[in-house]
Amino acid sequence: EAQVTQNPRYLITVTGKKLTVTCSQNMNHEYMSWYRQDPGLGLRQIYYSMNVEVTDKGDVPEGYKVSRKEKRNFPLILESPSPNQTSLYFCASSHHGTPSEQYFGPGTRLTVT
Amino acid sequence: DAKTTQPNSMESNEEEPVHLPCNHSTISGTDYIHWYRQLPSQGPEYVIHGLTSNVNNRMASLAIAEDRKSSTLILHRATLRDAAVYYCILRDEDSGNTPLVFGKGTRLSVIA
Repeated sequence: EAQVTQNPRYLITVTGKKLTVTCSQNMNHEYMSWYRQDPGLGLRQIYYSMNVEVTDKGDVPEGYKVSRKEKRNFPLILESPSPNQTSLYFCASSHHGTPSEQYFGPGTRLTVT
Repeated sequence: DAKTTQPNSMESNEEEPVHLPCNHSTISGTDYIHWYRQLPSQGPEYVIHGLTSNVNNRMASLAIAEDRKSSTLILHRATLRDAAVYYCILRDEDSGNTPLVFGKGTRLSVIA
């Protein structure tokens, strides 16, 4: 089954404790991205990757890092999480090229206290 | 990307057709019209997309006005599972993989 998976689905952590949210897709998609969703602000893109070893900042990249060492994986790293990063995070993937349907993961709900 | 305007909410009876409107008066020639929906507690889900001609797929139909300044997503027979927030998004496909810019969308309620 074609899918985007994220882990963990729920995470409660404390300020400053490094964490990684994993994202994996099994569709051989070139393009992957991370969004965060906050009430009243909608979905906003954090980082994206056009292919292996190629990453770029989205609209709200501050406080986040990503890497793309393999085509299927695109982890989101919070080196020193802060309470304002409490949010619902979605990973998405699609084929490069236009236009293309984006597949979204189930989401990771992160709470930073 | 050009801006879209959608009603905040709509309501439909189960098994009746639903027409979800979207205005995009500043659409450019290379903007595709995409529709996504987000069911409660889930990630966004692709519904349909089009450029100029009307489009049909297993989930819905997309009717695009001749001047492309508006479009309508049509669910032919609403079910309870169709209750979701529906987003109309314009994306300039000539700009490469630009992000999908999600607005507030239309919250569709389906009544049994």
